[in-house]
Amino acid sequence: TQLLEQSPQFLSIQEGENLTVYCNSSSVFSSLQWYRQEPGEGPVLLVTVVTGGEVKKLKRLTFQFGDARKDSSLHITAAQPGDTGLYLCAGARGSNYKLTFGKGTLLTVNP
Amino acid sequence: NAGVTQTPKFRVLKTGQSMTLLCAQDMNHEYMYWYRQDPGMGLRLIHYSVGEGTTAKGEVPDGYNVSRLKKQNFLLGLESAAPSQTSVYFCASSYSRRRGIGIEAFFGQGTRLTVV
Repeated sequence: TQLLEQSPQFLSIQEGENLTVYCNSSSVFSSLQWYRQEPGEGPVLLVTVVTGGEVKKLKRLTFQFGDARKDSSLHITAAQPGDTGLYLCAGARGSNYKLTFGKGTLLTVNP
Repeated sequence: NAGVTQTPKFRVLKTGQSMTLLCAQDMNHEYMYWYRQDPGMGLRLIHYSVGEGTTAKGEVPDGYNVSRLKKQNFLLGLESAAPSQTSVYFCASSYSRRRGIGIEAFFGQGTRLTVV
C-alpha cells in the first residue's frame, strides 16, 4: 500500500499551459516536501510545507498543503520546457524520521 | 562543498556476489537514508539511520544490510546479489527543523547497479 499517492502519473503539455499535480494520503503528515528529479540525477528539494492550509510560491510554482495535512498540490503557471522532470512528494509522520516518497508525476513540457 | 557523495556510480555484479555501496556526507546531518528507484515504483526506502551507531528498516529491507559507524558515512551492503536487486540506489542525508518536522533531504547522484 502506497502511503502517498500522486496523480497523474504522466503529464505531457505544451509550453505556456498551466498544470496541477496532486499528492494524497489517508494519513496525517507533520510536513510534506516536493522534489524534482531530472534524468540521471538525484531528487532536488523544491519546498517544504508544514502548516495545514499553507501556500508557498516559488516563482511560477505554487504549493499548497491541505487543511487536514493529508494532501498537497503543486501548480505550475505558464510551464516551460525547463520544468520537465519527475516531481515527487515526500513526507514523514509525527516525529518519525522515516521519510517516504510517492511514485511521482513525470512531466514533459513540449516547446 | 561536496554534499552527498556515492561510490561507485556504476557496477555490474554476478548473481551471488557481494558488494558495499558507500555514502558520505559533509553537512553534519543526523539522518541518512538508502533508497532504491525502479521504473514505475518511485523511491522506496531500504534502511535509514537517525544517528551514528543506529539503523532501522524501511519498506524493502530484505537482502540488504547497513552500518553507520561514523556520522558522515552510511554503508549499504548486498551479501548475495540477486537480479531483483538491479536498480538505481540513492543515498540521502537530512536534518530536521524540529523533532521530525520538515525533514529536508539532500541526495547523492545515485549508483546504477546491474545484477546478471
